[in-house]
Amino acid sequence: SQTIHQWPATLVQPVGSPLSLECTVEGTSNPNLYWYRQAAGRGLQLLFYSIGIDQISSEVPQNLSASRPQDRQFILSSKKLLLSDSGFYLCAWSGPYSGNTIYFGEGSWLTVV
Amino acid sequence: KNQVEQSPQSLIILEGKNCTLQCNYTVSPFSNLRWYKQDTGRGPVSLTIMTFSENTKSNGRYTATLDADTKQSSLHITASQLSDSASYICVVSFAVGFGNEKLTFGTGTRLTIIP
Repeated sequence: SQTIHQWPATLVQPVGSPLSLECTVEGTSNPNLYWYRQAAGRGLQLLFYSIGIDQISSEVPQNLSASRPQDRQFILSSKKLLLSDSGFYLCAWSGPYSGNTIYFGEGSWLTVV
Repeated sequence: KNQVEQSPQSLIILEGKNCTLQCNYTVSPFSNLRWYKQDTGRGPVSLTIMTFSENTKSNGRYTATLDADTKQSSLHITASQLSDSASYICVVSFAVGFGNEKLTFGTGTRLTIIP
């Protein structure tokens, strides 16, 4: 079976500090990978999606970047966090073996102080 | 502009009662419509997915309907349980080229079941 792991679950970071959220998928190969952000009271917003290693598309200009160094690893980063980066970040995957369903990780709560 | 609107924003019902959540969309060209359940602080979990040709799909006590002509969907929950308390998110996808699709998310309906 396929599983998706995302960490850390909770993060409190000062403004201007770097960020690294990691996501890995097990049990499949060549998945499509996604990073979403969910602000309070708002719908999920797609930040990045990747169809393969080093193939990443950005949906909105922002203070964040994403990398996919391995087939099943997706990393969300920032060099200098802003207060507005606070939110709930979700990694997700779809593709082979997902039956056209997008599966989400458990999410990471980021609070920038 | 592709949009997904859900109603009501929040709903409180007694345990054991039924309820129906609504989703209207303006996404085009339509590919499929999904309903997700999201517990507080957790990632969304897929409940149903329907394509253009499907007008109803069930998953246990959850039944989703789709009217592609009026661009409306509903999620009906039967005999609600306390564990049904969650946000329910309607997600509509549209094709953006061969084999690719993009998702548009609704803001969700917050459902609270009280004993």
